Amino acid sequence: AQSVTQPDIHITVSEGASLELRCNYSYGATPYLFWYVQSPGQGLQLLLKYFSGDTLVQGIKGFEAEFKRSQSSFNLRKPSVHWSDAAEYFCAVLGLPGGSYIPTFGRGTSLIVHP
Amino acid sequence: DTAVSQTPKYLVTQMGNDKSIKCEQNLGHDTMYWYKQDSKKFLKIMFSYNNKELIINETVPNRFSPKSPDKAHLNLHINSLELGDSAVYFCASSQDGGPPRNTQYFGPGTRLTVL
Repeated sequence: AQSVTQPDIHITVSEGASLELRCNYSYGATPYLFWYVQSPGQGLQLLLKYFSGDTLVQGIKGFEAEFKRSQSSFNLRKPSVHWSDAAEYFCAVLGLPGGSYIPTFGRGTSLIVHP
Repeated sequence: DTAVSQTPKYLVTQMGNDKSIKCEQNLGHDTMYWYKQDSKKFLKIMFSYNNKELIINETVPNRFSPKSPDKAHLNLHINSLELGDSAVYFCASSQDGGPPRNTQYFGPGTRLTVL
């Protein structure tokens, strides 16, 4: 069965600092990986996705993520965080249990940005 | 134009009542989903539905039922509401088939409070 682990429940950074949010997945075949962001009181917005090809994926809002098969990881990064990046971030893996593609989400990492 | 919309945004009701949440997507997608997000932000798939197949998460009580009048709409009916049903419910949609077609796009969520 597929699973996703986001080991950090909360991350606190200062505005302007770099950011890395961790995501580890467990899936037997080629994983399809996503990062979503949920701003307070909002729905989930797709930041970026990995299906194949270049393992460094660029997304919206200046985010990027790197797929590392050897580490079963898909960490999200941003070189300089803005106060508006404070939100909940979800990693997800898309597998094929029972013949249908249903994503499994991690439990989320809450990003707090200090001025 | 909003891609995936839900109504209402907030719903407060008494235990034992029956309520519905509506979802509409204008992306031309074939597959729609309902998720439940609990108080700890954990996202759990409830249903996946397209014009061919309804996939039900077996842990979802049969008080919950999805109803789709057409492929642009997937409503969620909940009978005999219980305190534990309080959560945020997200609708999502995607194209049919495998990756990358079935990237999911989410609605803004409906916060249900059962008193």
